[in-house]
Amino acid sequence: DAGVIQSPRHEVTEMGQEVTLRCKPISGHNSLFWYRQTMMRGLELLIYFNNNVPIDDSGMPEDRFSAKMPNASFSTLKIQPSEPRDSAVYFCASSPGTRGNEKLFFGSGTQLSVL
Amino acid sequence: LAKTTQPISMDSYEGQEVNITCSHNNIATNDYITWYQQFPSQGPRFIIQGYKTKVTNEVASLFIPADRKSSTLSLPRVSLSDTAVYYCLVGDIAGYQKVTFGTGTKLQVIP
Repeated sequence: DAGVIQSPRHEVTEMGQEVTLRCKPISGHNSLFWYRQTMMRGLELLIYFNNNVPIDDSGMPEDRFSAKMPNASFSTLKIQPSEPRDSAVYFCASSPGTRGNEKLFFGSGTQLSVL
Repeated sequence: LAKTTQPISMDSYEGQEVNITCSHNNIATNDYITWYQQFPSQGPRFIIQGYKTKVTNEVASLFIPADRKSSTLSLPRVSLSDTAVYYCLVGDIAGYQKVTFGTGTKLQVIP
């Protein structure tokens, strides 16, 4: 298996533009997570899905952020409109099951820079 | 959710054994303890997990005392490539995941 695949690897955009980050989880995994990492705030959990259903989106910073998982093999995180403070590395992770001790498998991340 | 506390940073010389301790005073009965490793420009990677006593794999050992209020990750004979951030997490086996990472411990291995 190729692991969790994220695209793009790097994204540079201007303030106000829409940004869409993509994630393909490991085949057969039932849970998917979106994290954001910055020097100031560390790794923050934004939202997670179980069996394609959003379970907890309390970490989504504001309405400008939205996430979808239309099927078991694809998820998107959208920021509209983007702001400079959204600049961060965004990670997607998946896990085989839904229990709290399941091992997470992370993608390589998307480095987002909003100018 | 049980909160974890770790040292912010540690330095070690190559070849030394490194022990990183994590405190989780309000750990619940159903919680497991998991450690992840993160290299620069990469996502975290699972290292080891345990519930109580000692767990060992090809990468590390995890020591958990009887009260489970702390745990220690032991890395034998570290090399420069072990320089990374190490995160301690607790997760409820019985409930939905809300896997949150703390600040982690930045380990710097010195030649």
